[in-house]
Amino acid sequence: EVHLLESGGGLVQPGGSLRLSCAVSGFNFYNYAMAWVRQAPGKGLEWVSSISGSGSSTYYAVSMRGRFTISRDNSQNTLYLQMNSLRAEDTAVYYCAKSGGSGTLFSHGDYWGQGTLVTVFS
Amino acid sequence: QSVLTQPPSVSGAPGQRVTISCTGSTSNIGAGYGVYWYQQSPGTAPKLLIYDNNNRPSGVSDRFSGSKSGTSASLAITGLQAEDEADYYCQSYDSRVSGSVFGGGTKVTVL
Repeated sequence: EVHLLESGGGLVQPGGSLRLSCAVSGFNFYNYAMAWVRQAPGKGLEWVSSISGSGSSTYYAVSMRGRFTISRDNSQNTLYLQMNSLRAEDTAVYYCAKSGGSGTLFSHGDYWGQGTLVTVFS
Repeated sequence: QSVLTQPPSVSGAPGQRVTISCTGSTSNIGAGYGVYWYQQSPGTAPKLLIYDNNNRPSGVSDRFSGSKSGTSASLAITGLQAEDEADYYCQSYDSRVSGSVFGGGTKVTVL
């Protein structure tokens, strides 16, 4: 059974940093691209970043470039999101998602974690 | 403002058919990229309903169907049930942003 479990969310002040983790099981992690998708309170879904199965290719939404870094450890079946220079508008539930396609690019999320809440407050 | 445009809400009586539109452009849906649909109930993670425009994952009811034409796509729900009350999102890939894009979401209400 496929399982994704995010952790690392919490309260942080503007300008601060957080590192999110997503531990996965139930599939060959290295074979699939992964992504982070966030949802601000009462708002819709927003793609944040994605990474190829090998980790060699990474992609970011414009507003996250230069502040967020996606990475993965295929030996530990874990996906990461390092978030720096956090802003109030980064407050959201952050979900990790497994790509439903087998290509290098993240195509869509066929399995999702339960999400972890990041709150940026002053 | 979302790259993909969805109506904020749709409603229907039990048993009726409702459709949700998803309008994109030539850099996403119109470029031939796949369209995906998700259902999200309050406090839960999104659930994949439709992949590659019109395919249902195993376990998804055949009351849900997807279609795509030009720069737009649609999700249809037939035989509307109370359990279908949720938010629905479309998603595709956009070559201008080199990443995934979502619609703003549509709240389905069963009257």
